Amino acid sequence: SQQGEEDPQALSIQEGENATMNCSYKTSINNLQWYRQNSGRGLVHLILIRSNEREKHSGRLRVTLDTSKKSSSLLITASRAADTASYFCATDDMYSGGGADGLTFGKGTHLIIQP
Amino acid sequence: DSGVTQTPKHLITATGQRVTLRCSPRSGDLSVYWYQQSLDQGLQFLIQYYNGEERAKGNILERFSAQQFPDLHSELNLSSLELGDSALYFCASSVSGGRYEQFFGPGTRLTVL
Repeated sequence: SQQGEEDPQALSIQEGENATMNCSYKTSINNLQWYRQNSGRGLVHLILIRSNEREKHSGRLRVTLDTSKKSSSLLITASRAADTASYFCATDDMYSGGGADGLTFGKGTHLIIQP
Repeated sequence: DSGVTQTPKHLITATGQRVTLRCSPRSGDLSVYWYQQSLDQGLQFLIQYYNGEERAKGNILERFSAQQFPDLHSELNLSSLELGDSALYFCASSVSGGRYEQFFGPGTRLTVL
C-alpha cells in the first residue's frame, strides 16, 4: 500500500521559479528520501533526511521534515528545464527493525518546467 | 550513473512464460532490493536480500522469486507470466538496510503479450 502521498499530482511552472512539492505519510519513520525520475527511466536519489532532522539542503534543493505532522516538503529553487521529471518521496518504517523492509513510495509529483 | 546495473533493458515475452532479470549492485553494497513500477500500482517494493539472505518481503507474488548470489548480484525470476505483470522492474542497492540511501538501476521494462 502507498504510504507517502505527494501533493500536487502535477505542477507546471516557468523556468527560474521555485517549485514546492509536499509529501505526507502514515507511520513513524526512520528517514524520508526524495527521488527524481525522468520519463520511464531509473530513479535518481536526491536527498535523505533522518527523522531527527528538520531541514536539509543540497544545492538547489531544500527538504523539510515535520514528524509531528508526518509531512515533508521538497523545494527546488531557480528551476531549470532539466528539472522536468517526476518526484517521489519514499519512507522506511521505523518498526521494520534492522534495516529490513523496502521503501514505501508515494505516487509522485509530475513537475513541468516551461522554458 | 548510480553504479547499479540491470540486464536486460527490455524484455518482451508471452503469457505463461518465465523470465529472469539480473542486477549487479554498487561495489560494496550488501543489500539488494527489487521494486515493480506499473501505472496502476505505482512503485512497489517486492523483496530485499542482504548478503545472500532474504531479509524482507513486500508485495511479491508467489509466482515471483529472487535470490542473491555469493558475488552479491541478484536475480528476479518471474514465472507463469500474465499481462498484468508488464511493468518496469527496478533493482536498488544500499550499503546496509533501509536507513541508508538506496541507489536504483536503470530498470528492466517487461512487456507480456
